Amino acid sequence: DADVTQTPRNRITKTGKRIMLECSQTKGHDRMYWYRQDPGLGLRLIYYSFDVKDINKGEISDGYSVSRQAQAKFSLSLESAIPNQTALYFCATSDPGLAGKETQYFGPGTRLLVL
Amino acid sequence: GESVGLHLPTLSVQEGDNSIINCAYSNSASDYFIWYKQESGKGPQFIIDIRSNMDKRQGQRVTVLLNKTVKHLSLQIAATQPGDSAVYFCAENIGETSGSRLTFGEGTQLTVNP
Repeated sequence: DADVTQTPRNRITKTGKRIMLECSQTKGHDRMYWYRQDPGLGLRLIYYSFDVKDINKGEISDGYSVSRQAQAKFSLSLESAIPNQTALYFCATSDPGLAGKETQYFGPGTRLLVL
Repeated sequence: GESVGLHLPTLSVQEGDNSIINCAYSNSASDYFIWYKQESGKGPQFIIDIRSNMDKRQGQRVTVLLNKTVKHLSLQIAATQPGDSAVYFCAENIGETSGSRLTFGEGTQLTVNP
C-alpha cells in the first residue's frame, strides 16, 4: 500500500551495529505497529503505538526499541544487531474510527540481513 | 482444492477451480477476523473481513465463512486465477478496547497452476 512507506527496503548489516528502520504513513491513522516475519512463524508484533505519546511492547520486543516522532512516523531501532534478527520487517497502521472493525494496513516491508 | 491451515501450509489448485483456505483461531473471545493476501516481495494486503456476529460474508470472488462453535475460519476463492497465487493469512482481533491487537496465523501458500 503506497500510503505506508518503509525505508530502507533492503539492508545488510554486521553483528553489533545499530540500525534504524523507518516507517511513514499518509493515511492519517493514529495507530502504528512494527512486525517481524520469519518463515513458518507468521507475523509477530514487536511494538505498537496508539498515538504519539503512547508506546507499547509487543510479544517480541527484546533487542528492539521504537520512536514515534509524529503521527505519521514510527521508527524501529536495533541497538546492537544480532544474526537472529535477520527477518522481514513490516510497519502497519490502523484507524480506530470504526468500532470493532479495525483493519491494519501494511507497508511493503524491509528485508534485513545481519551478518 | 482445500487446505487445513497450519497442518498443510501449501495448497495447489488448477486455474479456474475453487480454492478453500482454512484457519483455526485460538481465542473464543475474538470478535473480528481478517484475511490478508501476501504476494512475494510485498506486504500483506487486506482481502476481506468478518465480525463475530456474522457467519458469512461475500466479496468479489471471495467468501469468508466463520464457525464460532469450532473456532474455524475459511476463505473461499471462486474461479482461482494465477494472480491469486500468494500466501494467505488469517488474523483475529479480541475486543474493541484492546485496539487492533491482531494475532496472525502462519499462513497458507496458494499456488495456481495454469
